[in-house]
Amino acid sequence: DGGITQSPKYLFRKEGQNVTLSCEQNLNHDAMYWYRQDPGQGLRLIYYSQIVNDFQKGDIAEGYSVSREKKESFPLTVTSAQKNPTAFYLCASSIAATGPDGELFFGEGSRLTVL
Amino acid sequence: GQQVMQIPQYQHVQEGEDFTTYCNSSTTLSNIQWYKQRPGGHPVFLIQLVKSGEVKKQKRLTFQFGEAKKNSSLHITATQTTDVGTYFCAVLSNDYKLSFGAGTTVTVRA
Repeated sequence: DGGITQSPKYLFRKEGQNVTLSCEQNLNHDAMYWYRQDPGQGLRLIYYSQIVNDFQKGDIAEGYSVSREKKESFPLTVTSAQKNPTAFYLCASSIAATGPDGELFFGEGSRLTVL
Repeated sequence: GQQVMQIPQYQHVQEGEDFTTYCNSSTTLSNIQWYKQRPGGHPVFLIQLVKSGEVKKQKRLTFQFGEAKKNSSLHITATQTTDVGTYFCAVLSNDYKLSFGAGTTVTVRA
């Protein structure tokens, strides 16, 4: 079954701890994305990657880090430098970053709560 | 990222009625995508519009791209309870970032 798998679905952490959210896709997509969603708000882009071993900052990259060592994997680390990390995190992928195949396929999300 | 304004932010609709949500940009867009997110779920792609003045239909949903490619609309006829959710438009910037509007959250009165 092809798709995007995010884990964990729910995560609780203490303030000051780093947290890594997993995102794996078996769709053979080149591009992968991380978005953050806060209640009542739209999706804000954190980081994105168009190819393996390359990634770019989105609109709210401060306090986050990513890696893209494998095509199918794009983990997101929420560091202690992120001032307000409690949010719903969505990973997505697309066949290509542009053009007619640019539609995004989303995972089911990871809900992070920092206590 | 590319700024798009979605209006209204909330839409309360009587079941069976029609409504329209709008997405507006101050700059010309190369294309626009629409997504739907059900409560508690994740966004799901609905459609992509590319051509000036393009109109596409999906059953009771009609999507339109403005002639100047600066705005788009989603019109839903005969609203049903299955239409509940948040509808987002998304636009691609020159540096390949897909930026989302704030969304229109739709609730339906039975």
